[in-house]
Amino acid sequence: DGGITQSPKYLFRKEGQNVTLSCEQNLNHDAMYWYRQDPGQGLRLIYYSQIVNDFQKGDIAEGYSVSREKKESFPLTVTSAQKNPTAFYLCASSIPGEITDTQYFGPGTRLTVL
Amino acid sequence: GEDVEQSLFLSVREGDSSVINCTYTDSSSTYLYWYKQEPGAGLQLLTYIFSNMDMKQDQRLTVLLNKKDKHLSLRIADTQTGDSAIYFCAENEAGGYNKLIFGAGTRLAVHP
Repeated sequence: DGGITQSPKYLFRKEGQNVTLSCEQNLNHDAMYWYRQDPGQGLRLIYYSQIVNDFQKGDIAEGYSVSREKKESFPLTVTSAQKNPTAFYLCASSIPGEITDTQYFGPGTRLTVL
Repeated sequence: GEDVEQSLFLSVREGDSSVINCTYTDSSSTYLYWYKQEPGAGLQLLTYIFSNMDMKQDQRLTVLLNKKDKHLSLRIADTQTGDSAIYFCAENEAGGYNKLIFGAGTRLAVHP
């Protein structure tokens, strides 16, 4: 089955530690995205990548970093510089240039920083 | 800047119709989307509508688009308890890549 997987589903970390969230897709999509979701708010874009070895900052990139070494993988690192990292993180992918520009989402990772 | 607004909560009785409303600001959006999020899960694309359409129907779902007023609605006929979720409206931002602007989501509660 094709899809997007995110692991782990729940993640706990101590304040001051970096943590990396995994996102893998086997949809053969070129574009991938990371969003952050906070209660009562819409999704906010952290980083996106339209192609391997290239990525761009979104609206709230400070305190986060990404890499895109493989088409199917787009890991997100939440660094200690991120002031309020506790949130639900969603990864998505799409086919750039597809007429509907539809984004497909993974199941999410809930990060809690203690 | 672009903004998408939705009411935060809607409560309906099982079997009734639900109407979730959304307003957006980017008149150059090509597509508008409705996503559904069940508790603790990712977003599932429900439907989308092209900006030159007024209406789109897909089984129990009807999307209405008033481009003049920048108003989008999602009607769910015969609402069931399984429809309880958060519904997000999103527009694609005109530009060089596919950036979606999401509303805050409408929590739909279906009661017997």
